[in-house]
Amino acid sequence: DTGVSQDPRHKITKRGQNVTFRCDPISEHNRLYWYRQTLGQGPEFLTYFQNEAQLEKSRLLSDRFSAERPKGSFSTLEIQRTEQGDSAMYLCASSLLRLEGGNYGYTFGSGTRLTVV
Amino acid sequence: GENVEQHPSTLSVQEGDSAVIKCTYSDSASNYFPWYKQELGKRPQLIIDIRSNVGEKKDQRIAVTLNKTAKHFSLHITETQPEDSAVYFCAAPYSSASKIIFGSGTRLSIRP
Repeated sequence: DTGVSQDPRHKITKRGQNVTFRCDPISEHNRLYWYRQTLGQGPEFLTYFQNEAQLEKSRLLSDRFSAERPKGSFSTLEIQRTEQGDSAMYLCASSLLRLEGGNYGYTFGSGTRLTVV
Repeated sequence: GENVEQHPSTLSVQEGDSAVIKCTYSDSASNYFPWYKQELGKRPQLIIDIRSNVGEKKDQRIAVTLNKTAKHFSLHITETQPEDSAVYFCAAPYSSASKIIFGSGTRLSIRP
């Protein structure tokens, strides 16, 4: 499978616990993005990486959220001390930013659905 | 600021008729405008995109138009079919090579 893979597909956790999600992008893509989507809404930007560098983090993202892409390949998103408001679908996407510039279309993973109880 | 507005939020059309979804963006430096289709319980999938150096792009029954002056772009679906029922999202980059911001989505229903 050469698409974007996310693991796990579903996660149910108790409030206050920490959770970590993983994303494996398309191998030749140099950009990786994390978005959050709640029911009936569009994907909301969280953060993105170009290779291993985290270039931007949304102001909506509290200090409880952290993301890494240590070798410029897979990425992890960790949420500490989860709250019920963190319940959402967490989507990962990757894309190729070419040297001549310009964005190209994202390929999304299937997402990780987090439920905080 | 970062903003992409999308209208309408819901749209119901008779099978065979056309559907049009409109978006506006705020960043005049935006140069890439993708449209995504998301079926229930599935990932968003890119269906068509347009760059700022053209005004229109077609791919079979779908087309996108861009008005850079007005900062509007639209998705047109002709000869709609039941499988077109889904939520459609427009998006635009906040700056020319940055993350993309999504609209709030349009739920399209095709009536038989």
